[in-house]
Amino acid sequence: KQEVTQIPAALSVPEGENLVLNCSFTDSAIYNLQWFRQDPGKGLTSLLLIQSSQREQTSGRLNASLDKSSGRSTLYIAASQPGDSATYLCAVFSGNTGKLIFGQGTTLQVKP
Amino acid sequence: DAGVIQSPRHEVTEMGQEVTLRCKPISGHDYLFWYRQTMMRGLELLIYFNNNVPIDDSGMPEDRFSAKMPNASFSTLKIQPSEPRDSAVYFCASSYSRSWQPQHFGDGTRLSIL
Repeated sequence: KQEVTQIPAALSVPEGENLVLNCSFTDSAIYNLQWFRQDPGKGLTSLLLIQSSQREQTSGRLNASLDKSSGRSTLYIAASQPGDSATYLCAVFSGNTGKLIFGQGTTLQVKP
Repeated sequence: DAGVIQSPRHEVTEMGQEVTLRCKPISGHDYLFWYRQTMMRGLELLIYFNNNVPIDDSGMPEDRFSAKMPNASFSTLKIQPSEPRDSAVYFCASSYSRSWQPQHFGDGTRLSIL
Protein backbone atom coordinates (compact mmCIF):
# COMPACT_ATOMS: atom_id res chain seq x y z
CA LYS A 1 0.00 0.00 0.00
CA GLN A 2 1.39 3.38 -1.03
CA GLU A 3 2.06 5.72 1.88
CA VAL A 4 3.23 9.31 1.61
CA THR A 5 4.95 11.02 4.52
CA GLN A 6 5.87 14.67 4.89
CA ILE A 7 8.34 15.93 7.45
CA PRO A 8 8.21 18.27 9.27
CA ALA A 9 4.50 18.74 9.96
CA ALA A 10 5.10 22.43 10.64
CA LEU A 11 7.90 24.87 9.96
CA SER A 12 8.47 28.50 10.91
CA VAL A 13 11.22 30.54 9.29
CA PRO A 14 12.19 34.22 9.02
CA GLU A 15 11.58 36.01 5.75
CA GLY A 16 14.35 35.63 3.18
CA GLU A 17 15.47 32.19 4.26
CA ASN A 18 15.85 29.35 1.77
CA LEU A 19 14.04 26.22 2.89
CA VAL A 20 13.41 22.60 1.96
CA LEU A 21 10.26 20.57 2.46
CA ASN A 22 10.56 16.80 2.40
CA CYS A 23 8.29 14.09 1.04
CA SER A 24 8.82 10.33 1.05
CA PHE A 25 6.78 7.52 -0.46
CA THR A 26 6.92 3.78 0.07
CA ASP A 27 6.19 2.38 -3.42
CA SER A 28 8.36 3.51 -6.32
CA ALA A 29 5.71 2.47 -8.89
CA ILE A 30 4.51 6.02 -9.51
CA TYR A 31 3.53 7.90 -12.66
CA ASN A 32 4.30 11.32 -11.25
CA LEU A 33 4.65 13.37 -8.11
CA GLN A 34 2.93 16.66 -7.51
CA TRP A 35 3.37 19.47 -5.02
CA PHE A 36 0.31 21.49 -4.05
CA ARG A 37 -0.25 24.57 -1.94
CA GLN A 38 -3.33 24.97 0.26
CA ASP A 39 -4.30 28.28 1.84
CA PRO A 40 -6.70 28.31 4.81
CA GLY A 41 -10.29 27.80 3.69
CA LYS A 42 -9.23 27.24 0.11
CA GLY A 43 -8.70 24.38 -2.27
CA LEU A 44 -5.39 23.04 -3.49
CA THR A 45 -3.30 24.81 -6.09
CA SER A 46 -0.92 22.73 -8.17
CA LEU A 47 2.63 24.10 -7.95
CA LEU A 48 4.80 21.56 -9.73
CA LEU A 49 4.29 18.18 -11.38
CA ILE A 50 7.26 15.88 -11.95
CA GLN A 51 6.79 12.92 -14.28
CA SER A 52 8.42 9.66 -13.14
CA SER A 53 11.06 9.97 -15.87
CA GLN A 54 12.11 13.44 -14.73
CA ARG A 55 14.47 14.46 -11.94
CA GLU A 56 13.27 17.98 -11.22
CA GLN A 57 10.96 20.83 -12.15
CA THR A 58 11.33 24.55 -11.54
CA SER A 59 8.85 27.39 -11.38
CA GLY A 60 10.08 30.77 -10.24
CA ARG A 61 11.47 30.47 -6.71
CA LEU A 62 10.31 26.86 -6.44
CA ASN A 63 12.31 23.79 -7.37
CA ALA A 64 11.09 20.24 -6.86
CA SER A 65 13.28 17.16 -7.18
CA LEU A 66 12.37 13.51 -7.48
CA ASP A 67 14.43 10.43 -6.64
CA LYS A 68 12.16 7.52 -7.44
CA SER A 69 14.60 4.83 -6.41
CA SER A 70 14.90 6.16 -2.89
CA GLY A 71 11.26 7.22 -2.67
CA ARG A 72 12.00 10.86 -1.95
CA SER A 73 11.11 14.32 -3.19
CA THR A 74 12.06 17.75 -1.98
CA LEU A 75 10.49 21.15 -2.56
CA TYR A 76 13.02 23.95 -2.36
CA ILE A 77 11.72 27.49 -1.79
CA ALA A 78 14.24 30.24 -2.36
CA ALA A 79 14.16 33.59 -0.59
CA SER A 80 10.95 32.84 1.30
CA GLN A 81 8.30 35.56 1.70
CA PRO A 82 5.36 35.95 4.11
CA GLY A 83 3.06 35.24 1.16
CA ASP A 84 4.54 31.74 0.98
CA SER A 85 2.84 30.91 4.28
CA ALA A 86 0.49 28.00 3.57
CA THR A 87 0.24 24.23 3.83
CA TYR A 88 2.25 22.36 1.21
CA LEU A 89 1.07 18.90 0.18
CA CYS A 90 2.95 16.27 -1.72
CA ALA A 91 1.01 13.68 -3.73
CA VAL A 92 2.08 10.70 -5.80
CA PHE A 93 0.05 9.21 -8.61
CA SER A 94 0.27 5.54 -7.71
CA GLY A 95 0.73 3.12 -10.59
CA ASN A 96 -0.82 0.31 -8.59
CA THR A 97 -3.99 2.06 -7.46
CA GLY A 98 -4.42 4.60 -10.26
CA LYS A 99 -5.05 7.26 -7.63
CA LEU A 100 -3.40 10.38 -6.29
CA ILE A 101 -2.16 9.59 -2.77
CA PHE A 102 -1.55 12.62 -0.55
CA GLY A 103 0.77 13.26 2.36
CA GLN A 104 -0.52 15.04 5.45
CA GLY A 105 1.23 18.26 4.49
CA THR A 106 3.75 20.68 5.96
CA THR A 107 2.37 23.94 7.34
CA LEU A 108 4.83 26.73 6.63
CA GLN A 109 4.89 30.08 8.35
CA VAL A 110 7.24 32.77 7.05
CA LYS A 111 7.66 35.59 9.55
CA PRO A 112 8.27 39.16 8.33
CA ASP B 1 -10.80 31.33 -16.85
CA ALA B 2 -13.33 30.15 -14.31
CA GLY B 3 -11.97 27.48 -12.02
CA VAL B 4 -13.80 24.57 -10.47
CA ILE B 5 -16.90 25.90 -8.75
CA GLN B 6 -18.40 24.20 -5.72
CA SER B 7 -21.57 24.98 -3.82
CA PRO B 8 -22.46 25.52 -1.11
CA ARG B 9 -19.24 26.72 0.55
CA HIS B 10 -20.58 25.84 3.98
CA GLU B 11 -23.35 23.49 5.04
CA VAL B 12 -24.58 22.86 8.56
CA THR B 13 -27.35 20.36 9.02
CA GLU B 14 -28.73 17.90 11.51
CA MET B 15 -27.99 14.22 11.59
CA GLY B 16 -30.31 12.21 9.37
CA GLN B 17 -30.84 14.94 6.81
CA GLU B 18 -29.98 14.59 3.15
CA VAL B 19 -27.00 16.64 1.97
CA THR B 20 -26.23 17.46 -1.66
CA LEU B 21 -22.92 18.97 -2.70
CA ARG B 22 -22.50 20.43 -6.18
CA CYS B 23 -19.59 20.88 -8.55
CA LYS B 24 -19.03 22.56 -11.90
CA PRO B 25 -15.72 21.42 -13.43
CA ILE B 26 -13.50 23.46 -15.72
CA SER B 27 -14.87 23.44 -19.25
CA GLY B 28 -13.11 20.90 -21.44
CA HIS B 29 -11.82 18.75 -18.59
CA ASP B 30 -12.92 15.14 -19.00
CA TYR B 31 -12.00 13.86 -15.53
CA LEU B 32 -13.81 14.83 -12.35
CA PHE B 33 -12.76 13.78 -8.84
CA TRP B 34 -14.46 14.02 -5.43
CA TYR B 35 -12.21 14.12 -2.36
CA ARG B 36 -12.81 14.37 1.37
CA GLN B 37 -10.37 16.07 3.75
CA THR B 38 -10.27 15.48 7.52
CA MET B 39 -7.63 16.12 10.15
CA MET B 40 -7.42 12.42 10.98
CA ARG B 41 -7.29 10.93 7.48
CA GLY B 42 -6.06 13.80 5.31
CA LEU B 43 -7.22 13.94 1.69
CA GLU B 44 -8.95 10.84 0.36
CA LEU B 45 -10.33 10.15 -3.09
CA LEU B 46 -13.98 9.15 -2.93
CA ILE B 47 -14.89 8.65 -6.59
CA TYR B 48 -13.86 9.81 -10.04
CA PHE B 49 -15.59 10.14 -13.40
CA ASN B 50 -14.28 10.06 -16.96
CA ASN B 51 -16.50 11.57 -19.64
CA ASN B 52 -19.39 11.61 -17.12
CA VAL B 53 -19.05 7.88 -16.37
CA PRO B 54 -18.11 6.74 -12.83
CA ILE B 55 -14.85 4.80 -13.09
CA ASP B 56 -13.76 4.05 -9.53
CA ASP B 57 -15.99 4.49 -6.49
CA SER B 58 -13.95 2.29 -4.16
CA GLY B 59 -13.29 5.26 -1.89
CA MET B 60 -16.95 5.92 -1.18
CA PRO B 61 -17.23 5.06 2.51
CA GLU B 62 -20.75 3.67 2.65
CA ASP B 63 -23.93 3.18 0.68
CA ARG B 64 -25.15 6.42 2.22
CA PHE B 65 -22.86 8.20 -0.24
CA SER B 66 -23.72 8.51 -3.92
CA ALA B 67 -22.39 10.63 -6.77
CA LYS B 68 -23.71 11.48 -10.21
CA MET B 69 -22.51 13.36 -13.24
CA PRO B 70 -25.50 13.93 -15.53
CA ASN B 71 -23.49 16.05 -17.98
CA ALA B 72 -19.98 17.37 -18.58
CA SER B 73 -20.57 20.54 -16.60
CA PHE B 74 -22.21 19.30 -13.41
CA SER B 75 -21.73 16.71 -10.70
CA THR B 76 -23.33 16.05 -7.32
CA LEU B 77 -22.26 14.17 -4.22
CA LYS B 78 -25.16 13.15 -2.01
CA ILE B 79 -25.16 11.84 1.55
CA GLN B 80 -28.41 10.30 2.80
CA PRO B 81 -28.85 9.99 5.72
CA SER B 82 -26.02 12.16 7.04
CA GLU B 83 -24.11 11.36 10.25
CA PRO B 84 -21.79 13.48 12.45
CA ARG B 85 -18.75 11.48 11.26
CA ASP B 86 -19.41 12.75 7.73
CA SER B 87 -18.30 16.22 8.87
CA ALA B 88 -15.34 17.20 6.69
CA VAL B 89 -14.31 19.42 3.81
CA TYR B 90 -15.36 17.94 0.47
CA PHE B 91 -13.39 18.95 -2.61
CA CYS B 92 -14.16 18.55 -6.27
CA ALA B 93 -11.32 18.58 -8.80
CA SER B 94 -11.10 18.27 -12.57
CA SER B 95 -8.35 17.64 -15.11
CA TYR B 96 -7.59 16.84 -18.75
CA SER B 97 -6.18 13.46 -17.82
CA ARG B 98 -6.19 10.96 -14.97
CA SER B 99 -2.50 11.18 -14.29
CA TRP B 100 -0.46 13.28 -16.70
CA GLN B 101 -1.94 16.68 -16.03
CA PRO B 102 -2.41 18.43 -12.69
CA GLN B 103 -5.81 18.36 -11.06
CA HIS B 104 -7.53 21.70 -10.47
CA PHE B 105 -9.39 21.93 -7.19
CA GLY B 106 -12.43 23.92 -6.14
CA ASP B 107 -12.51 25.79 -2.83
CA GLY B 108 -14.42 22.98 -1.16
CA THR B 109 -17.61 22.59 0.85
CA ARG B 110 -17.18 22.61 4.62
CA LEU B 111 -19.83 20.21 5.92
CA SER B 112 -20.87 20.05 9.57
CA ILE B 113 -23.39 17.44 10.69
CA LEU B 114 -24.80 18.14 14.16
